[in-house]
Amino acid sequence: AQTVTQSQPEMSVQEAETVTLSCTYDTSESDYYLFWYKQPPSRQMILVIRQEAYKQQNATENRFSVNFQKAAKSFSLKISDSQLGDAAMYFCAYRSPNDMRFGAGTRLTVKP
Amino acid sequence: GAGVSQSPRYKVTKRGQDVTLRCDPISSHATLYWYQQALGQGPEFLTYFNYEAQPDKSGLPSDRFSAERPEGSISTLTIQRTEQRDSAMYRCASSPDAPLSSYNEQFFGPGTRLTVL
Repeated sequence: AQTVTQSQPEMSVQEAETVTLSCTYDTSESDYYLFWYKQPPSRQMILVIRQEAYKQQNATENRFSVNFQKAAKSFSLKISDSQLGDAAMYFCAYRSPNDMRFGAGTRLTVKP
Repeated sequence: GAGVSQSPRYKVTKRGQDVTLRCDPISSHATLYWYQQALGQGPEFLTYFNYEAQPDKSGLPSDRFSAERPEGSISTLTIQRTEQRDSAMYRCASSPDAPLSSYNEQFFGPGTRLTVL
C-alpha cells in the first residue's frame, strides 16, 4: 500500500512570512494525483491545492504553491504572506486508481 | 443540496451497541466515500460507492463495519457491536465523477464524531 508521510507534526510561522510544509509519498504507480487539504478548528476539510503527477509544472493557487519533485516523491506546500486564517491542520493526500491515502497532518500556527 | 451533510453530528454509545451513521452527498455526485479519522490523524479510507455499486471495501477494518447506498444517493455506515477503538470522526465525501482515478475535488461533510464508552 502507498504511504504518505508528513514529517512535521507542528509548524509555526509569523504573520506575513512564508512557510513550507513537507510531504513525501511512496508509490509504484505512475498515474496519481496529489492534494493538500486544510482542516481548520471547525474540522471541515477544505481543498487547498492539487497536482497531477504527469504535469511537471508546479500548481499555484494565489498564496499557495507546491514544489512537486516526482523523482524524489516529494510534494511540499508553500504558503506565502501567511495570514491568521491559515492556522489549521494541513493534510497531504495521494490518490490513484487503486488507493486514497492521507498523511498524519501538520498543525500550522500563525503568530501575529 | 448545497453541500455534503452528515447525521448525527455527535453520537455517544455503549460498547456492544450498533450504530448507523448517515451521509447525504451533493445531489449530482456519482461517487461517495467514507473515511475514519482518529484524533490527531489524517482520514483513513474505508470504502466508496459509484452510484449504488460498492467496488472497494478494502478499507473497512472488520466485518462489523458495513455500508450501503441502495438508491445511489444517501449512504449509511453501520458499525455492529461497537468497541472503544471505533471511537473516531467518521467523514463522508462526494465527488461528481469517476472514483479514485480523478483529479476532481472530494467535497467533505462535517463528520460524525462517534464515542464508544
